[in-house]
Amino acid sequence: TQLLEQSPQFLSIQEGENLTVYCNSSSVFSSLQWYRQEPGEGPVLLVTVVTGGEVKKLKRLTFQFGDARKDSSLHITAAQPGDTGLYLCAGARAGGTSYGKLTFGQGTILTVHP
Amino acid sequence: SAVISQKPSRDICQRGTSLTIQCQVDSQVTMMFWYRQQPGQSLTLIATANQGSEATYESGFVIDKFPISRPNLTFSTLTVSNMSPEDSSIYLCSAGTSGRGETQYFGPGTRLLVL
Repeated sequence: TQLLEQSPQFLSIQEGENLTVYCNSSSVFSSLQWYRQEPGEGPVLLVTVVTGGEVKKLKRLTFQFGDARKDSSLHITAAQPGDTGLYLCAGARAGGTSYGKLTFGQGTILTVHP
Repeated sequence: SAVISQKPSRDICQRGTSLTIQCQVDSQVTMMFWYRQQPGQSLTLIATANQGSEATYESGFVIDKFPISRPNLTFSTLTVSNMSPEDSSIYLCSAGTSGRGETQYFGPGTRLLVL
């Protein structure tokens, strides 16, 4: 069973602070996705990273895929109350019986206070 | 990308009854999945809905409890059978696309409360 360890589980910060969420595994993933979910809604895809060492930026969010494709991080600069939500990382393996399936991290509940 | 809708969005059911959740995708997709999620927690994969064949269930989930249909490439249903309060959860369907990574797009979820 592949495990994707996500940390921290909870994060409560003030508006304007920076934060980083980590996802780590001993398994290699062909791609890794980050999702954000608000109460009452389904997870919304933020980014997919595929190449080891890849860095993608989405406004104040920076995503990085580890060189060995076993870990990833999400960094938010100058957090805003609108960033509040549940953040999920999910890794995919290509081929075999796991094709197309995602392994999800435990999630990080982020609360940004005004 | 894919846009996914689910019906119903929420329901309150009596124990012992069954509920069928519908999932519609706005384009043909190869893979569809069903998940269960407790509020504020991560997702647990129930099964992969295969078009034209039986669904593939994850450990701990069985067809008698969660029968799944996938008659075509844009539609799937999940039935929660003989419900008990322990089945109260959020049920999500997703559509998988390939290309640059195995990305999944999610529906808004069905919030089920079993009394």
